[in-house]
Amino acid sequence: DQQVKQNSPSLSVQEGRISILNCDYTNSMFDYFLWYKKYPAEGPTFLISISSIKDKNEDGRFTVFLNKSAKHLSLHIVPSQPGDSAVYFCAAISGTYKYIFGTGTRLKVLA
Amino acid sequence: GAVVSQHPSWVICKSGTSVKIECRSLDFQATTMFWYRQFPKQSLMLMATSNEGSKATYEQGVEKDKFLINHASLTLSTLTVTSAHPEDSSFYICSAPHRRGSNEKLFFGSGTQLSVL
Repeated sequence: DQQVKQNSPSLSVQEGRISILNCDYTNSMFDYFLWYKKYPAEGPTFLISISSIKDKNEDGRFTVFLNKSAKHLSLHIVPSQPGDSAVYFCAAISGTYKYIFGTGTRLKVLA
Repeated sequence: GAVVSQHPSWVICKSGTSVKIECRSLDFQATTMFWYRQFPKQSLMLMATSNEGSKATYEQGVEKDKFLINHASLTLSTLTVTSAHPEDSSFYICSAPHRRGSNEKLFFGSGTQLSVL
């Protein structure tokens, strides 16, 4: 049972436009969410996180929105840049140290 | 930020041999480390949780006798793939959580691409 889902395996966006990556979860006990960015043959790198007590967290070009009632979070990147092309994973924490990852969305930013 | 070093980054081995992968937290202590496996176009799958000074906790379906984990110090965890077979070929990634104040993040190593011939 996939507790964290990223239903879009890929996304293409024009440079300068907004990229919106979505993530849905099923476990209402998740209390912390994170987004990671991954390049091929590299380990994921942390991007941004949000606690379940918030509904928005912003860091530069990256904003994460959390809708607890819908069990949905999204990552907005604006403006998108070619260097943002990567696979993005959302993750949720349940309890101590139990990170559950989504299947990833491959973002391609077209120049 | 915190740094997790993983070595080797790439290894090719013959079927039946064992391969050891090291994961080090360079500037912080990690009583817990995680080992993930990623097959092409799939998500990161947690294999096991490595606990310093005690036995590792394995996820369902992961053979503990095949994937030996040792967490002998607060900065080092090793994963040994024993008697590797072609189906073990995958990208293995370690990670360690690091808390700074009320903010916790998971820091990843750069991964190890294992190819078993």
